Amino acid sequence: GENVEQHPSTLSVQEGDSAVIKCTYSDSASNYFPWYKQELGKRPQLIIDIRSNVGEKKDQRIAVTLNKTAKHFSLHITETQPEDSAVYFCAASILPGYALNFGKGTSLLVTP
Amino acid sequence: DTEVTQTPKHLVMGMTNKKSLKCEQHMGHRAMYWYKQKAKKPPELMFVYSYEKLSINESVPSRFSPECPNSSLLNLHLHALQPEDSALYLCASSQEGQGTGELFFGEGSRLTVL
Repeated sequence: GENVEQHPSTLSVQEGDSAVIKCTYSDSASNYFPWYKQELGKRPQLIIDIRSNVGEKKDQRIAVTLNKTAKHFSLHITETQPEDSAVYFCAASILPGYALNFGKGTSLLVTP
Repeated sequence: DTEVTQTPKHLVMGMTNKKSLKCEQHMGHRAMYWYKQKAKKPPELMFVYSYEKLSINESVPSRFSPECPNSSLLNLHLHALQPEDSALYLCASSQEGQGTGELFFGEGSRLTVL
């Protein structure tokens, strides 16, 4: 099955700095790569996703890039704010709406 | 309505008890999932139902028994659990292969096994 590796496991940045989280996947059949944010005590929620026919996608301060040849994708958060502090999970699946295999998560702390 | 509702929010049970977790969605999603999440770990897939049929069982012990009575409801029956089964159990739903692809998660049922 799909194996998703995620780095780093923890990331601390100052408010206003950028944060980058990287993931690699093993199954070349994967075509859908979402990112979920989970605040303490809350449910995971989708923040952005990308499909294999696209190399980059941006939504305000967050962006995701995908290199299908190298089987890696990254989350970029610019102008970080304290409310960005959370655990971020990357995931991969064959198609949108199918079962997700999650990476181990990155705990992001944004300090004022 | 983009809600996935899970009950109960908290459950404490002994190792000999039988209990059930319930999940409901009214988004017309035909795929429903049970995930298990331990502290500081990612959600771990347990079961997937597609069109009310079990399509994936990730080698989950038989003390966990899923049930999908209809397209809106998903249950997880618990029996003879072990203390290591204590975790947050997340239900999710999606439009399998269609739409945005987003998995909508419930708030979870936090289970403690004594």
